[in-house]
Amino acid sequence: AQTVTQSQPEMSVQEAETVTLSCTYDTSESDYYLFWYKQPPSRQMILVIRQEAYKQQNATENRFSVNFQKAAKSFSLKISDSQLGDAAMYFCAYRTNTGNQFYFGTGTSLTVIP
Amino acid sequence: NAGVTQTPKFQVLKTGQSMTLQCAQDMNHEYMSWYRQDPGMGLRLIHYSVGAGITDQGEVPNGYNVSRSTTEDFPLRLLSAAPSQTSVYFCASSYHGTGGEQYFGPGTRLTVT
Repeated sequence: AQTVTQSQPEMSVQEAETVTLSCTYDTSESDYYLFWYKQPPSRQMILVIRQEAYKQQNATENRFSVNFQKAAKSFSLKISDSQLGDAAMYFCAYRTNTGNQFYFGTGTSLTVIP
Repeated sequence: NAGVTQTPKFQVLKTGQSMTLQCAQDMNHEYMSWYRQDPGMGLRLIHYSVGAGITDQGEVPNGYNVSRSTTEDFPLRLLSAAPSQTSVYFCASSYHGTGGEQYFGPGTRLTVT
């Protein structure tokens, strides 16, 4: 089974600064999909960004971007110009090539300091 | 378009009781799944379905049953609740086979005493 590891249980960042959340995964597949989800205190899971493994270009969504290193099996999330609303738990997730199984990391709790 | 809905939002059960967590989606998604979220453990897949009449086990299926009689609905049954099943449960759906994102329901907080 695939495993997803988030080695930073907690992170903090000053408002308007940049922070990077780490994620590594273990797989023998060559095609798969990676996601970052945000879970604010409301408990709702919200998609932040998505990356297809066959695409070399790193995905970007406004202030959110990823550094996808396929050979290293690394998928980090960079949040630029951090805002108070970015404070949440962030989960890295892996979807298998068949699309049937999802694996989540244990999450990183991000605090934004005003 | 309501997305993914779950009921109830909160539930307290006594050990040995049974109950069904309801999940419905109106996006015509083939794939539906159930997760449990426990502190420090992220989300773990319980069961999933790739279409009506088709279900399969995920990472932590013991103690849970599912069925999928329609595209829209995917209920999760606890036949004999145990304190170890105290958790937050999420239902999610997506298109199948395209690597698309999952859309999550609001979650159910279940406490078993």
